[in-house]
Amino acid sequence: SFVVTQPPSVSVAPGQTAKIPCEKTYSGRKSVYWYQQKPGQAPILVVYDDTRRPSGIPDRFSGSTSGKTATLSINRVEVGDEADYYCQAWDSSGDRLWVFGGGTRLTVL
Amino acid sequence: QIQLVESGGGLVKPGGSLRLSCSGSGFNFSDSFMTWVRQTPGKGLEWISYISKSGDFRKYADPVKGRFTISRDNTKNSLFLQMSSVRADDTAVYFCARGKRYDYGESWGQGILVPVSS
Repeated sequence: SFVVTQPPSVSVAPGQTAKIPCEKTYSGRKSVYWYQQKPGQAPILVVYDDTRRPSGIPDRFSGSTSGKTATLSINRVEVGDEADYYCQAWDSSGDRLWVFGGGTRLTVL
Repeated sequence: QIQLVESGGGLVKPGGSLRLSCSGSGFNFSDSFMTWVRQTPGKGLEWISYISKSGDFRKYADPVKGRFTISRDNTKNSLFLQMSSVRADDTAVYFCARGKRYDYGESWGQGILVPVSS
């Protein structure tokens, strides 16, 4: 089993770039997925397979990975991007198929 | 337009039972992997159960193993979660999610609250 760890909060000014890291404790190749969740709403998939964007997600959202850290970047941040962001990985051998990070609250100052 | 709608939630006493349903539309339900995820009020997301497209493979997280049962009826585009012997720490918003793959959720329902309290 493994864990993925996120900072509890990230703050950014409108128009700037927000970077939300997700540190993976496992070694080897496992994709990371990212979800956006606004208060009282369902999570929305914004990045899958580390870097791919579902249709309908603005290209301001992008994912990258380097070593054991996956990063969600949001360019030209808007007030409407304020939300909780969760990273998730898949574990076929552990007791949980989907492993979520604790979530990062993005605050747009 | 893909829609997932959960129902069946509500207040349940410790030790009691409840059956959640998730109705899907706008996609090929029988060709989708289905998953239940819960979220404790004010906390993060927790994966709890998964079922394969045909229903022949199911997996549960340790906290719910032996108490919760996932099932599906592809003829009715519906997913279920039978919750038994519920505990206070099962109090959460329960989401159903679907995907063409089993490793992540492409689309999610709006969630349904299940409070467990005497």
